[in-house]
Amino acid sequence: EPEVTQTPSHQVTQMGQEVILRCVPISNHLYFYWYRQILGQKVEFLVSFYNNEISEKSEIFDDQFSVERPDGSNFTLKIRSTKLEDSAMYFCASTSDGGYEQYFGPGTRLTVT
Amino acid sequence: DQQVKQNSPSLSVQEGRISILNCDYTNSMFDYFLWYKKYPAEGPTFLISISSIKDKNEDGRFTVFLNKSAKHLSLHIVPSQPGDSAVYFCAATVFMEYGNKLVFGAGTILRVKS
Repeated sequence: EPEVTQTPSHQVTQMGQEVILRCVPISNHLYFYWYRQILGQKVEFLVSFYNNEISEKSEIFDDQFSVERPDGSNFTLKIRSTKLEDSAMYFCASTSDGGYEQYFGPGTRLTVT
Repeated sequence: DQQVKQNSPSLSVQEGRISILNCDYTNSMFDYFLWYKKYPAEGPTFLISISSIKDKNEDGRFTVFLNKSAKHLSLHIVPSQPGDSAVYFCAATVFMEYGNKLVFGAGTILRVKS
């Protein structure tokens, strides 16, 4: 069964450093998303991406964040200068054309020290 | 942001009995609702969904009921099994042409006792 994969599973970084979180969505999916879940809080939408463009972003997704689909399979989230409050689980998701059901990866735990 | 609320943080049921998980929403623009199940150290797994034009959707042991007038939906699991023990998230969305963001509830921890 096709699945969304994410690497690394855990990333530890120092405040102010740049991190890149990687995702491989399901191959025939066209819409890609990043969500995050801070410990003890809800899963929150960050950004959606379609046709090589951001289609929607939340207030959380400020200038420190960027997304990219550098090739036909990877989808990345970059945080330019990490803050302590960026510590969270980051989930990538994808969906097919016209599908509401989003399929999530296992997540990357980001710890900023 | 309290657009989707799951007011019960946890629920404990006996194996073989029915589990009922509840969810309320405030945004009448939502047109699709989904339930996800999450195990520790894994991502949310899609379980079942329902369109706002329906009031019931069934898939095996899982049934979702939607009451639009009350802005309430529920997930029924019958019979409950120990492997169903997980966190269950209710999510809602509005159709948009270029992707639809999900708005999640806080989750309910379900424990099924054998």
